[in-house]
This record gives sequence, C-alpha cells and structure tokens, in this order.
Amino acid sequence: EAGVAQSPRYKIIEKRQSVAFWCNPISGHATLYWYQQILGQGPKLLIQFQNNGVVDDSQLPKDRFSAERLKGVDSTLKIQPAKLEDSAVYLCASSSVRGLNEQFFGPGTRLTVL
Amino acid sequence: AQKITQTQPGMFVQEKEAVTLDCTYDTSDPSYGLFWYKQPSSGEMIFLIYQGSYDQQNATEGRYSLNFQKARKSANLVISASQLGDSAMYFCAMRYVLGAQKLVFGQGTRLTINP
Repeated sequence: EAGVAQSPRYKIIEKRQSVAFWCNPISGHATLYWYQQILGQGPKLLIQFQNNGVVDDSQLPKDRFSAERLKGVDSTLKIQPAKLEDSAVYLCASSSVRGLNEQFFGPGTRLTVL
Repeated sequence: AQKITQTQPGMFVQEKEAVTLDCTYDTSDPSYGLFWYKQPSSGEMIFLIYQGSYDQQNATEGRYSLNFQKARKSANLVISASQLGDSAMYFCAMRYVLGAQKLVFGQGTRLTINP
C-alpha cells in the first residue's frame, strides 16, 4: 500500500512570494490533514478535510493560507504572500474512518522563507 | 482545551537499556485517545502505539509499551532493549474520540542511543 505522497520535498522562497504544496493521501482515506511543524516544536493542525469538506480550519491564518481538496482525494496548500515566520515543515496526513483512525503522515515539505 | 506536556527535551541512553519518555496531558473530556509518534531525521512521523482512555490494559506493541496512569493524566512511553535506530524525536499526542479528530502534539523529546 502506497503511503502519503507530498511534493515538493524542499522549497526556498523570498518573503512576499507565493508557494503551493501538494499532497496525495493513502487510497481510500477520507480524512486529510495539513500540519505546520516549526523547528523544535510539535506539529500544529492547520486544516482538516473530511472528503472534500472542511472539518476544522480554526488555526489556519486565512489572510495568507488557503487549502483545497476539490475531488476528495489530493489536496493543495497555498501561502500567499509568505512571511519569514512561515518557515517550517508542512506535513500532510490521512486517516481512515475505521479502526483507530490513526493518522499516517507523508515525508513533509520543508519551506524556507528568506 | 487539550494540552500535552513533554518535559524532557533530550534523553541519552546506552544501547540495550530500557528508556521511559514522559508525557502528561490535560483534558476535561472523558473520551480521548493517546498516541506516540517517532520522527527520525528524515522527517516523516511514524505511528508507534495507541491508548484509549477507557482501555483497561496498558497498550503494548513489540518493544514499545505505554504506561497509562489515568488518575495522574500521564501516558509514558517505554522502549525496551533500545537500539541505535531508536534515535529520533518522539512525540506524544492526544485526540478526542468524538468530533473533529485533530491530534494535539507535545513539544517532543529527542532520544539519542549511544553504542
């Protein structure tokens, strides 16, 4: 079974530029999560989708961050314009609605904003 | 609100020794789940073990066990017979059973296994 795929793995941009990250969850997983992990901290949830609907986006800075999951499968997270404090690893995770609902994580995208 | 506290920023252990990583949590909800994840230097989060708040027995998965003390609100991870490959960041996380099932993570503990 293929895991959660993310791209790109690394991205370096200058402040005020825009950037987009892509995530493809495990096949059949209805729930998809985007987390932000700042260096030295645990991941923090930005947004959670159930199929293509948003369940929780309470910690998403909506003035600059947006996310979509149009067909209920893969998802994109966009930052526009980026700030220095957005430098972090962006982790995508997915889970099934059955069993423990444990979340399976992708390898992450490391963003550096200069 | 949920809160997870991991008080050990770093731990150093000799290979083959057992190690306990501490985790305390705070919640007023009676139904929750506790997770431990391992994050190697490559960056991905690897699920290790799960404990439900109503589980009577402590969870075990191979060399991993969870010392769950509900009254003290602690969920410590025990790794037996540590190996060099266990060197990584370890995160404790909590999730409510009902409603939005987001994970709330602690700050993490960096474990280093010495040969």
